[in-house]
Amino acid sequence: EAGVTQFPSHSVIEKGQTVTLRCDPISGHDNLYWYRRVMGKEIKFLLHFVKESKQDESGMPNNRFLAERTGGTYSTLKVQPAELEDSGVYFCASSQDRTGGGYTFGSGTRLTVV
Amino acid sequence: QKEVEQDPGPLSVPEGAIVSLNCTYSNSAFQYFMWYRQYSRKGPELLMYTYSSGNKEDGRFTAQVDKSSKYISLFIRDSQPSDSATYLCAMKGGTASKLTFGTGTRLQVTL
Repeated sequence: EAGVTQFPSHSVIEKGQTVTLRCDPISGHDNLYWYRRVMGKEIKFLLHFVKESKQDESGMPNNRFLAERTGGTYSTLKVQPAELEDSGVYFCASSQDRTGGGYTFGSGTRLTVV
Repeated sequence: QKEVEQDPGPLSVPEGAIVSLNCTYSNSAFQYFMWYRQYSRKGPELLMYTYSSGNKEDGRFTAQVDKSSKYISLFIRDSQPSDSATYLCAMKGGTASKLTFGTGTRLQVTL
């Protein structure tokens, strides 16, 4: 079974530019999550999709972040315009069952805004 | 105050030692408790998953949850150099979507 795939693995952009991160969940997993780890801090929740619907987006930091999951398959997370404080590692995870624990994480996208 | 507290380490132990990793938490609503292992430049990998209080064992790994004390532990027996990684505790409420993570403890097992 293929795992959760994220790309790019690393992105360096200038402040003010736009970046789009992509996540391909495990096939058949209706639940897809985005998390972020800023340097020196813990991994924090951004949002949760169930199929194509946003179930919980309470962790999205501001309206410069836009997440989509068209057709309930892969998801994109767009940052526009990027700011220096957006630098960090963005993780995607998926699961079949959201009520239990144990999500499968991707390797992350390391975003550096300069 | 953070909802989940975890000593960042680093923790260095000799090969074969028993390792004890711990987290404390403040949110009584947490019911699911997880330990993830993360190697450098990789994503978190689920090691152990426990619901409510009690112990769970899987090979060299044992997870303990004490909800009365709001304290969870991960024990690693016969530690190996390949166990060198960052260990993250994570937890969630019964119907919640999101995991709340500790900052992670960096473990180094030396030869």
